[in-house]
Amino acid sequence: DAKTTQPNSMESNEEEPVHLPCNHSTISGTDYIHWYRQLPSQGPEYVIHGLTSNVNNRMASLAIAEDRKSSTLILHRATLRDAAVYYCIRTSYGKLTFGQGTILTVHP
Amino acid sequence: GAVVSQHPSWVICKSGTSVKIECRSLDFQATTMFWYRQFPKQSLMLMATSNEGSKATYEQGVEKDKFLINHASLTLSTLTVTSAHPEDSSFYICSARPYSNQPQHFGDGTRLSIL
Repeated sequence: DAKTTQPNSMESNEEEPVHLPCNHSTISGTDYIHWYRQLPSQGPEYVIHGLTSNVNNRMASLAIAEDRKSSTLILHRATLRDAAVYYCIRTSYGKLTFGQGTILTVHP
Repeated sequence: GAVVSQHPSWVICKSGTSVKIECRSLDFQATTMFWYRQFPKQSLMLMATSNEGSKATYEQGVEKDKFLINHASLTLSTLTVTSAHPEDSSFYICSARPYSNQPQHFGDGTRLSIL
């Protein structure tokens, strides 16, 4: 049980922002929210993680709702290399339970 | 950034063979390493958690005698698939992290095909 809900797929155009939503309505106070992405035939790649506050790094931004029941991964300008499966995972004690993720397609 | 190296990238072998997969953290010490398996069109499934110097903790349904895990140092964990059969064919992926609640860093996976 991945305990998060994501859309099966999303599409975007190159150079446009992408907002990938995730619901985690049963999240506990100690659970972190992690995002990973996976390209075909590769291991997952860490994107970003957070607990309560919004987070930014060179790859993306993570916006966490005030009640922590949902979050949004923001890719500010999508490129073709951002096409991947994006996994939103809530984790305590570091164990990751992968759901089906969101398949992001980026159109040139 | 943190780098995890996994070897080999792919292996094809006959049924009944034992196969060893190595996972190394190249630029950090990993107190914990994880082993996952991924079948085609499916998501990753955690097989076991490996802590340096202690026995691995296996997820429910994973046979510990079939999937032997050794984590003898802070930079190396190995997974041995013993007496592999065609149903063991899968994409095996390891990850490592330096501390609890820090991100996991993944290897590029090993594609195992048993004939």
